[in-house]
Amino acid sequence: QVQLVQSGAEVKKPGASVKVSCKASGYTFTSYGISWVRQAPGQGLEWMGWISAYNGNTNYAQKLQGRVTMTTDTSTSTAYMELRSLRSDDTAVYYCARVEILGAYFDYWGQGTLVTVSS
Amino acid sequence: DIQMTQSPSTLSASVGDRVTITCRASQSISSWLAWYQQKPGKAPKLLIYDASSLESGVPSRFSGSGSGTEFTLTISSLQPDDFATYYCQQYNSYSGLTFGGGTKVEIK
Repeated sequence: QVQLVQSGAEVKKPGASVKVSCKASGYTFTSYGISWVRQAPGQGLEWMGWISAYNGNTNYAQKLQGRVTMTTDTSTSTAYMELRSLRSDDTAVYYCARVEILGAYFDYWGQGTLVTVSS
Repeated sequence: DIQMTQSPSTLSASVGDRVTITCRASQSISSWLAWYQQKPGKAPKLLIYDASSLESGVPSRFSGSGSGTEFTLTISSLQPDDFATYYCQQYNSYSGLTFGGGTKVEIK
């Protein structure tokens, strides 16, 4: 069965960086993309960007351009999301989700990773 | 970015009720709309894609309709497991995928 398993919770100081991993199993990793979606405490869902696991092409949300980098390691079927220059309003649960192509819906989701930014 | 507006933001209903949630897009998105269910502390779960296609394994009491700018999610007979928050998501514009603000379905 399809599974996306994310790395554990992180606590970071303002200005630091965080890198969250998402290990996929149960499907051909390079046949799909991975999107990242975050959810601030008590708030709605915000799409952060997408990466093709086939060729590494990326598309990032405009508001995060320059601070976010998404990568994949096809040898381990793992996707990564790095967010830099963290601010308190980056505190959120970060989800990875499988997506067939850029600009589509998310059919499987990881369990979420809480990132807390606090001095 | 395309703005997605859901209504109501909160809905109180009883088991067995028919429930309808509306999602409006700021511009036409054809049928490029999905619906998700999220329970506290859990990841969202895909219910409907392409506005009206039921995801495999999702109970048939869930249905979606609409096209263009107005969409609805209907639960034909609300069950105890359905109390959750529901989100719509547009994927017409791949440069900026956006979600609605959510509708929390509470027990009346």
